[in-house]
Amino acid sequence: DIVMTQSPDSLAVSLGERATINCRSSQSVLHSSNNRNYLTWYQQKPGQPPKPLIYWASTRESGVPDRFSGSGSGTDFTLTISSLQAEDVAVYYCQQYYSLPRTFGQGTKVELK
Amino acid sequence: QVQLVESGGGLVKPGGSLRLSCAASGFTFSDYYINWIRQAPGKGLEWISVINPSGTNTNYADSVRGRFTISRDNARNSMFLQMNSLRADDTGVYYCGREYWGAFDIWGQGTMVTVSS
Repeated sequence: DIVMTQSPDSLAVSLGERATINCRSSQSVLHSSNNRNYLTWYQQKPGQPPKPLIYWASTRESGVPDRFSGSGSGTDFTLTISSLQAEDVAVYYCQQYYSLPRTFGQGTKVELK
Repeated sequence: QVQLVESGGGLVKPGGSLRLSCAASGFTFSDYYINWIRQAPGKGLEWISVINPSGTNTNYADSVRGRFTISRDNARNSMFLQMNSLRADDTGVYYCGREYWGAFDIWGQGTMVTVSS
């Protein structure tokens, strides 16, 4: 199984400041056949299901604000919120879909400072 | 609109059984892989099972293999999870999720399963 490890577990950021979340996979999720990274980022707010933000490590889902961006390749990935808004307070998860079983990071809780 | 709606959760004793349902609408259900993902209270997300569009191929997490069975009825736009030999650590919110290349682009609101004596 591919183990996904996020860091930090939580972070507190001031409104308008940058938030950076890291995700590392225990093996590469870059598929050589199409040069795509099989990695997604989700946002989950209390009492709600997760909402996909980013596919293929860096492609924003339709309707997601452009302050959210994803980067990285192979085993190391980053989700950046360029200017934190109050509505971005949530838990963020990465997930690999390179192989079964699908696996998630443990989550990173983003709070307001 | 495109949506998934889970039902069937509840309180069950250890060793008991429960059958969850996931009803789809707003898209061609029979074109998609559908998954179950669960979340224990205050914890992270755990993928547990997937079924292919025709219902002929399934896969399970080690934690539920042999106890849970996924199935679907494309004529009724529905998917099911038969859960047997339930344990306390099966407690959580169970989500169904439509698959997009292995990621999950549409999620239901979830149904709560509590395993307790």
